[in-house]
Amino acid sequence: KEVEQDPGPFNVPEGATVAFNCTYSNSASQSFFWYRQDCRKEPKLLMSVYSSGNEDGRFTAQLNRASQYISLLIRDSKLSDSATYLCVGGWNQGGKLIFGQGTELSVKP
Amino acid sequence: NAGVTQTPKFRVLKTGQSMTLLCAQDMNHEYMYWYRQDPGMGLRLIHYSVGEGTTAKGEVPDGYNVSRLKKQNFLLGLESAAPSQTSVYFCASSRSGSYGYTFGSGTRLTVV
Repeated sequence: KEVEQDPGPFNVPEGATVAFNCTYSNSASQSFFWYRQDCRKEPKLLMSVYSSGNEDGRFTAQLNRASQYISLLIRDSKLSDSATYLCVGGWNQGGKLIFGQGTELSVKP
Repeated sequence: NAGVTQTPKFRVLKTGQSMTLLCAQDMNHEYMYWYRQDPGMGLRLIHYSVGEGTTAKGEVPDGYNVSRLKKQNFLLGLESAAPSQTSVYFCASSRSGSYGYTFGSGTRLTVV
């Protein structure tokens, strides 16, 4: 598969820190994202991923082009973070994105 | 601002019937896509379009056809539905690959 993720599920208590990892096989991939998908809903863009790393509140994303590896770190997990997280890679031209199968996260009280 | 709208939201078809799924976006995006999502398979690209009047095959195009006569609309057709086409279908649009996609809410199709 072009984008591979650990499917989980990850079961963590509230307040925990959890990390998701993803690898991609096509070194020509240019754009990377993390999407969140709630049960039976459409995927929604969580954040873009850059080589320099980027942070949005409790979420931090990292890209390592040399290892073809993407990560997502969630700090201080909330019940509302329970969802499936999709790792995505693609190409700017034509805009095609390849989705990983997703990692399921369940945050427990 | 509606974003991406898919119709219908649910449909049950009999094997051999045909139908068209409609996707409409109001964001003036050039790129539009049709994906299907099945348990354990993730999202798989069926067809996509990089502009009005253009279409291209994705990963799983067999059994589907598409048209993009107007920039805001992308239609997915099933000419002769098969049970293997039971799935959730998502339409998405994008300004370009570097901006990610906006998805519609999906169409849940069952072929019996």
